[in-house]
Amino acid sequence: KAGVTQTPRYLIKTRGQQVTLSCSPISGHRSVSWYQQTPGQGLQFLFEYFSETQRNKGNFPGRFSGRQFSNSRSEMNVSTLELGDSALYLCASSSASGASTDTQYFGPGTRLTVL
Amino acid sequence: GIQVEQSPPDLILQEGANSTLRCNFSDSVNNLQWFHQNPWGQLINLFYIPSGTKQNGRLSATTVATERYSLLYISSSQTTDSGVYFCAVVDYKLSFGAGTTVTVRA
Repeated sequence: KAGVTQTPRYLIKTRGQQVTLSCSPISGHRSVSWYQQTPGQGLQFLFEYFSETQRNKGNFPGRFSGRQFSNSRSEMNVSTLELGDSALYLCASSSASGASTDTQYFGPGTRLTVL
Repeated sequence: GIQVEQSPPDLILQEGANSTLRCNFSDSVNNLQWFHQNPWGQLINLFYIPSGTKQNGRLSATTVATERYSLLYISSSQTTDSGVYFCAVVDYKLSFGAGTTVTVRA
């Protein structure tokens, strides 16, 4: 089975712009979660989607949003970028049941730099 | 939320040495995973281990859920073991520790 894929792998944006990141889960997986990793804050949960519905959300401002499509692919969007949004954004997928006991598998990440 | 603490924060090893990484968590959990983050940033699954002991080659892990800790053992370390090791526990999301940075010197 192919793993979790994320595109693009690298992005450079300027303050005030918006950005959309994409994540394709492992085939058959219906849960997709997004995480932000920064040197200062570590790995933090953004949100989770299951069967096209946002099931859980982390403590991030409304500039961070996401969605999931019927094929389980997910996108996250960050509007009005700030310097502090520079980070590695990681996507994880887990199996069909979407239970908390499912193993989560991560993609390679998208490294976003905001200038 | 659940608090996760990892120790030590940094570990320098000579190739061939053994080591133990520790993960303490503040509440009962349904899921605990260990990851290795490679130099390109990807989190590689090592173990799914909410309780008990598992082994995979030179790596093994033990979780004592009743005492709220997990241990990751690296035996006969190699330079390719270098990187950051994270444990993460689940309530409705993965809560990560701050990681242990392992450097293995030839």
